[in-house]
Amino acid sequence: GAGVSQTPSNKVTEKGKYVELRCDPISGHTALYWYRQSLGQGPEFLIYFQGTGAADDSGLPNDRFFAVRPEGSVSTLKIQRTERGDSAVYLCASSPSGAGTSGSRSYNEQFFGPGTRLTVL
Amino acid sequence: QKEVEQDPGPLSVPEGAIVSLNCTYSNSAFQYFMWYRQYSRKGPELLMYTYSSGNKEDGRFTAQVDKSSKYISLFIRDSQPSDSATYLCAMRFTGAQKLVFGQGTRLTINP
Repeated sequence: GAGVSQTPSNKVTEKGKYVELRCDPISGHTALYWYRQSLGQGPEFLIYFQGTGAADDSGLPNDRFFAVRPEGSVSTLKIQRTERGDSAVYLCASSPSGAGTSGSRSYNEQFFGPGTRLTVL
Repeated sequence: QKEVEQDPGPLSVPEGAIVSLNCTYSNSAFQYFMWYRQYSRKGPELLMYTYSSGNKEDGRFTAQVDKSSKYISLFIRDSQPSDSATYLCAMRFTGAQKLVFGQGTRLTINP
């Protein structure tokens, strides 16, 4: 079956511009996550959606970053006034439901997309 | 100091060797521990998932969690060139959604 897809795969923009990154989760997955991975580093959490609502946005670095998931499926990460430091791979993940207290791998597993490589010149 | 520390390597071993990858962490509240494998220009994929302390084995892979030492390990037996990738440890608190990742260790298995 189809996994998590992200578009575009690569995005080059100029400092100060606005960008939108799209994530299509696995069908039926209610939980969706955004992470950012800088070169040579592990992914860092940005935001988590349960359905349409952002349940945890504590990882968003500042108010230039915003994400939506209006119908509880596709999500868009929006970055205003991009800066060179925003250059990174932006990863989206989905899971069947939000991680709970179950020890079950399938219940908690986050399935990652291939990422969007953002370069801000 | 980062919450999760992982030696970035790179680590290079011959085919067939046993590989040991490790992470340490500072917050004893972490309860769920994972190992992800990430090939170049791909997203991470889950390899091993462990709740609390103990060992878990899956084929050539064994994950160990020692909560008293705040130390987790991944062992790969009979390593293959196709195992060449970056290995990321990750963990989360009970009730929390976000994963906290280590820096990742780049592993190369030489034929």
